[in-house]
Amino acid sequence: EVQLLESGGDLVQPGGSLRLSCAGSGFTINDYFMSWVRQAPGKGLEWVSISSNLADGSTFYEDSVKGRFTISRDNAKNTVYLQMNSLRAEDTAKYFCARTSATGTGRGYFTHWGLGTLVTVSS
Amino acid sequence: DIVMTQSPDSLAVSLGERATINCKSSQSVLWNSNNKNFLAWYQHKRGQAPKLLIYWASTRESGVPDRFSGIGSGTDFTLTITNVQAEDVAVYYCHQYYQSPMTFGPGTRLEIK
Repeated sequence: EVQLLESGGDLVQPGGSLRLSCAGSGFTINDYFMSWVRQAPGKGLEWVSISSNLADGSTFYEDSVKGRFTISRDNAKNTVYLQMNSLRAEDTAKYFCARTSATGTGRGYFTHWGLGTLVTVSS
Repeated sequence: DIVMTQSPDSLAVSLGERATINCKSSQSVLWNSNNKNFLAWYQHKRGQAPKLLIYWASTRESGVPDRFSGIGSGTDFTLTITNVQAEDVAVYYCHQYYQSPMTFGPGTRLEIK
């Protein structure tokens, strides 16, 4: 059974940093694109970032997190990460990890999701 | 960016009735070279992981009951749930993966009347 388990969410001050982890089980992340999607309190879903499993290792980001967030993967640990720097209040959200069925450069639909981890940016 | 809109914002239907949710994209998500619409639907129940229902606008994900169906092309899409059950209470989102950045609709909340 495919499972995704996010962790690392916390309360952090504006300008701070946090690293989220997403541990996969029941499949090998090296075989798939992997994404992060977030949901701010009371709001809808917002795509954040995607990581390709192809040789080029390409990554893509939503504009508001470009230059602040970095997605990476450790295939040996079957884990995807989201390093979040220079956090802002508007980054407050539940962050979901999603296995992604690739359909093109930096795109795909999300076949499996985790339960999410909560990031709160506040002083 | 492609803007996704959904209607209605919320709807309440009686058990066993039909629910219809509409999704519109600000530009076509139909890839002419393969005639596929890059559009998916998800169900998100409170406190749970979102669940993929439909991809390529009309292909039902494995294990999803056939009460759920998707139709549409270009810019206009519909998710229909026939014979609505209590467990269908959730927020439903459409999602375009035609162009980066990928974008979601604002969601439609389904309740039981």
